[in-house]
Amino acid sequence: GAGVSQTPSNKVTEKGKYVELRCDPISGHTALYWYRQSLGQGPEFLIYFQGTGAADDSGLPNDRFFAVRPEGSVSTLKIQRTERGDSAVYLCASRPTGSGGELFFGEGSRLTVL
Amino acid sequence: RKEVEQDPGPFNVPEGATVAFNCTYSNSASQSFFWYRQDCRKEPKLLMSVYSSGNEDGRFTAQLNRASQYISLLIRDSKLSDSATYLCVVKGTLTGGGNKLTFGTGTQLKVEL
Repeated sequence: GAGVSQTPSNKVTEKGKYVELRCDPISGHTALYWYRQSLGQGPEFLIYFQGTGAADDSGLPNDRFFAVRPEGSVSTLKIQRTERGDSAVYLCASRPTGSGGELFFGEGSRLTVL
Repeated sequence: RKEVEQDPGPFNVPEGATVAFNCTYSNSASQSFFWYRQDCRKEPKLLMSVYSSGNEDGRFTAQLNRASQYISLLIRDSKLSDSATYLCVVKGTLTGGGNKLTFGTGTQLKVEL
């Protein structure tokens, strides 16, 4: 499809486990963002990539969270030693360079940590 | 203080009513402003950009007051299909670079018959 694709759509894991969430942006979009959203809250910024590099990772809550985008396309958000408080919907969005503020979001990956 | 603040609502209005949402932001140097719409259990989508001179798109009007650091969205003749959460978004903030987009908590609108 032509939109942002995120996998898995749902992930249930146990406290302490490692999780990877994948994002495949719209082809040609150089900017890629990760957000997480808890119930009743707006999306909370985590990290932004321009190409392969993390241009702004100021939203990553702690060193358990890490994200990569090695070839400037697909990105993976990695969460180590998951905690119950990590449970949320993780949203990925992309936009072409210079497009202003329109982010194209995927449907999200719902993470539940038991 | 949050970087972007909104009244979470919900706003329950009858069909045909006019409703207004407000948003304040903390960084006076913020560059650009937007309203996004998010339907229940769906991803956010851009509704409209907010320009300094104010702008209109059909039944929707957005206003920006830089002096007061305040953004508004007005919906006229509301429809049942307008029921959603409206997210105020600010681009370029104190804690991040020029391309960071910060979302408010959203204001929930319910339009009723």
